[in-house]
Amino acid sequence: ETGVTQSPTHLIKTRGQQVTLRCSSQSGHNTVSWYQQALGQGPQFIFQYYREEENGRGNFPPRFSGLQFPNYSSELNVNALELDDSALYLCASSLTVLTNTEAFFGQGTRLTVV
Amino acid sequence: GDSVTQMEGPVTLSEEACLTINCTYTATGYPSLFWYVQYPGEGLQLLLKATKADDKGSNKGFEATYRKETTSFHLEKGSVQVSDSAVYFCALTVSGYSTLTFGKGTMLLVSP
Repeated sequence: ETGVTQSPTHLIKTRGQQVTLRCSSQSGHNTVSWYQQALGQGPQFIFQYYREEENGRGNFPPRFSGLQFPNYSSELNVNALELDDSALYLCASSLTVLTNTEAFFGQGTRLTVV
Repeated sequence: GDSVTQMEGPVTLSEEACLTINCTYTATGYPSLFWYVQYPGEGLQLLLKATKADDKGSNKGFEATYRKETTSFHLEKGSVQVSDSAVYFCALTVSGYSTLTFGKGTMLLVSP
């Protein structure tokens, strides 16, 4: 059973550019959540996808968007990058969308905006 | 809104010392509570969880008890090891939702 994998591991972008981050969920998991972890802070919830539909969203602007594919892998897209978008982006997959279900995290993508 | 407050770090201990990392929460309804650990350069790993009041979660020598009366979920270990050095996050989910609300994390540094 493979775990949650994210790509790329590191990325440097220029302010105003667009970026796409990718996540392959653990086998059999139909729910993917994305989190932003700024340096020295706890992860903040961006949004969640369940069976290809957005199932909840945190306090992030619309330039943060996502997608989930039929194989339950997922993408996070960020448009018009700002310096404050520099962070570790974590993807977590879980067996279902129900509470108490363990979330398995990937190693993250470190995004630096210059 | 829902929130988690953890003690500020870093916590610096010698090997075999006792550990307590405080965590308190504010939540609507009846949350489930979690401790996650993040080793350098890695993602988060679930350490333990408790889903109702008075439940005790335990794993790898770590324990935490869900205290509804004090809205707390303090992490404890009787004897820490150098390999326990990491950042520890307290988190919660609220009823019906699986999205996590995290505290800011507490760094633990254990020296030989």
